[in-house]
Amino acid sequence: NAGVTQTPKFQVLKTGQSMTLQCAQDMNHNSMYWYRQDPGMGLRLIYYSASEGTTDKGEVPNGYNVSRLNKREFSLRLESAAPSQTSVYFCASSVGGIHTEAFFGQGTRLTVV
Amino acid sequence: SQQGEEDPQALSIQEGENATMNCSYKTSINNLQWYRQNSGRGLVHLILIRSNEREKHSGRLRVTLDTSKKSSSLLITASRAADTASYFCATDSTDSWGKLQFGSGTQVVVTP
Repeated sequence: NAGVTQTPKFQVLKTGQSMTLQCAQDMNHNSMYWYRQDPGMGLRLIYYSASEGTTDKGEVPNGYNVSRLNKREFSLRLESAAPSQTSVYFCASSVGGIHTEAFFGQGTRLTVV
Repeated sequence: SQQGEEDPQALSIQEGENATMNCSYKTSINNLQWYRQNSGRGLVHLILIRSNEREKHSGRLRVTLDTSKKSSSLLITASRAADTASYFCATDSTDSWGKLQFGSGTQVVVTP
């Protein structure tokens, strides 16, 4: 099984450009997450989807939108990229509910210049 | 601000020694989890401890949880060079069901 797959792995954007980060999981998980990781800050939750058709804001949602396209896929869109969005983005999934572990993708390293 | 804060931020030890790191959090939790991240990679789940548990073991890992102090510790015994990584605690709070929130991490370096 591939687990959680993120594309692309690396991306450079110019300020004001838009892009969509793709995430897909093949574990039939209900819940999916988008995090960003900045040096010294750990991981911060951007958006969360408890199940297909539902999304909820995390700690740092401003500047981002998400789509839970189906049970497998959860995309993150930057409508107008800003240098402050330079970060490593991680998608994760879990069975859902309490007491479940999260499985992470390998990350997307995004630089906004 | 983040839910979990790890201490220390960095830890350097020699192979065979034990490594201990701590996590403090702010709100009531359903469970607390520990993850490892190797450089440039995604996070890997290590262990989950429920709010009604006080101690849990998995191989060379020992986790404790003190809900009265809102703190947890992760002990890695007999460390190996392959344990070099960043370690993060994550909490599933009772007021944000299902949303895992991570701390800032402890960077562990194990030298042969």
